[in-house]
Parts: sequence; C-alpha cells; structure tokens
Amino acid sequence: GQNIDQPTEMTATEGAIVQINCTYQTSGFNGLFWYQQHAGEAPTFLSYNVLDGLEEKGRFSSFLSRSKGYSYLLLKELQMKDSASYLCAVFSGGYNKLIFGAGTRLAVHP
Amino acid sequence: EPEVTQTPSHQVTQMGQEVILRCVPISNHLYFYWYRQILGQKVEFLVSFYNNEISEKSEIFDDQFSVERPDGSNFTLKIRSTKLEDSAMYFCASRLTSGGQFFGPGTRLTVL
Repeated sequence: GQNIDQPTEMTATEGAIVQINCTYQTSGFNGLFWYQQHAGEAPTFLSYNVLDGLEEKGRFSSFLSRSKGYSYLLLKELQMKDSASYLCAVFSGGYNKLIFGAGTRLAVHP
Repeated sequence: EPEVTQTPSHQVTQMGQEVILRCVPISNHLYFYWYRQILGQKVEFLVSFYNNEISEKSEIFDDQFSVERPDGSNFTLKIRSTKLEDSAMYFCASRLTSGGQFFGPGTRLTVL
C-alpha cells in the first residue's frame, strides 16, 4: 500500500528553526518532494530529493534517507509568512504521479 | 516565468450536471496531471496524461471522468454527471521530463 506520515500541526517562533518530518512506505519511489500550501491556494514547489542526503535552498533544506523511508524539511530564520501547510509527496509509478501526505500545518508566532 | 493556468477559478453547478475544467500547462511540458483536494483533506491523484493518452488513473477516476487535450495547449477534465462528493479543489499540474510538477492555481468546484 501507500502510506505517508507527517505530523498534523506544529508551532514555532519567528526567527527560529523548525524541522518537519515525513516517513513513507510506497510501492514505488522515484523521489520525494516538499510543497508549501497556503489555505485556499495551490501547492508550490519547495524541494526535491532523489538521492540520500541534504539539499539546501536558501532558508529551506530537505534531507532524504531512502533506506529508512524518511525525509525532513528544515526551515531556518522563520518568518510569519512561513505559516502554511507543508506537504510531503512521493514520486511513484512509471509516469511519476505524486502521492501526498496529509500535510503539516505550521503556525509561526511572533 | 511560465506557469500553469486554470479556468474557471470557481465553478458552481447542480448535481447531475456536466462540468469541464480547463487547464493550460506550461508550454514545453510533456506530462500532465489532475489532482483534487476535498476541503481539509490531502491532495489526491486523479489521472496522468502523456503522449495524448491516459498513462495512469486512480480508483477515483471512474467512468464519469474524462480528460482530453483537444489542441496543443489546453488540457481539460470533464465530469459527466456531478455528485455532491465531487465538490473539491481541482488542480492541474505539468512537468517536463524530470524534476517537479508545477501546479496551477486550481478550480474550486461546488456541487449543489
């Protein structure tokens, strides 16, 4: 079956660092994506990992361990505008559909 | 920067009516997708489309759904006889060959 787990909600303080974890069990794996989604809007692409290790992109970093079926998204220097849902998604199948987790709703407080 | 566009942004329809949701993918992209997101739930895959045919579909994508690429730019999702439970945000996405899928802004479908 297909299973992607991430925490439902997290809170953090402006300027701090937060790590959002994701574990997955899928029948196929061609890479893992993180998307940001503000309420009522479309998911926007943040990062993509296909090999093990850390990918850094400005204030955002994403880590993947394929043997453990585990990824995390690290957000540094948090800003109020980072309050959103963060979606972990696995690329699966021959035509690479995305299988999404339920998302982690992050609230950033002053 | 090129982007995926979708029309309409909001569609209200009566149960049993047909609706067509329209998307214009990024122009040089080759793979096209439809996803839906029921309010408060996760994004769900509906169908993928490549080389002018459906390449994969989910169990949600039953006989009431169809997709078409009628010309070189548009990509449509038709729901033949809408049900209350079809109310959701419908997202179109496209990708080139490798890398991420880029999502359109979505169409909010409300079935009354």
